[in-house]
Amino acid sequence: KQEVTQIPAALSVPEGENLVLNCSFTDSAIYNLQWFRQDPGKGLTSLLLIQSSQREQTSGRLNASLDKSSGRSTLYIAASQPGDSATYLCAFRSGGSYIPTFGRGTSLIVHP
Amino acid sequence: DVKVTQSSRYLVKRTGEKVFLECVQDMDHENMFWYRQDPGLGLRLIYFSYDVKMKEKGDIPEGYSVSREKKERFSLILESASTNQTSMYLCASSLGRQAYEQYFGPGTRLTVT
Repeated sequence: KQEVTQIPAALSVPEGENLVLNCSFTDSAIYNLQWFRQDPGKGLTSLLLIQSSQREQTSGRLNASLDKSSGRSTLYIAASQPGDSATYLCAFRSGGSYIPTFGRGTSLIVHP
Repeated sequence: DVKVTQSSRYLVKRTGEKVFLECVQDMDHENMFWYRQDPGLGLRLIYFSYDVKMKEKGDIPEGYSVSREKKERFSLILESASTNQTSMYLCASSLGRQAYEQYFGPGTRLTVT
């Protein structure tokens, strides 16, 4: 069964730092990988979707990369702000599957 | 923008009650999903539907059923609510089988007493 691991599980940083969140997967037959943000008590908000043919996607201060050979995706957050505090989840989808596999998430706190 | 709405943000029900959670999406998506989310357990798939009247069990279907009579609406039914079904319930949708993003609703926090 596909496994998706997110490291670290929790992260606390001062405002302004550049951050890297990691997502590792065991299945090389990746179709796409999606990053989400979840605020406490809320639903998931889609941040970025990377197709297997892509190396990275960017949206504002966020950049997500995909390395299929190593089975890893990273989410880079530039110049972090307190408003970035949330849980970040990645979801892996293999070829032809309706169903993504989710990681447990990284809980991020950015201190003012 | 895709919009996925859920009928209630918070719900309190008694043990043994029949509970209906409604989810509606407005972008003609084929696929719809119901998850529950619990601390330490992550997101777990209850049921999903890839077309009207079509459904498949996810990882934890016991104690739940679903209904999809119209493309835009996917209902989760707790036939006889129990305290271990207290959880955050999340609905999601996606356009088709392959390359498409998944979009989530705001969630329903259900408490069964």
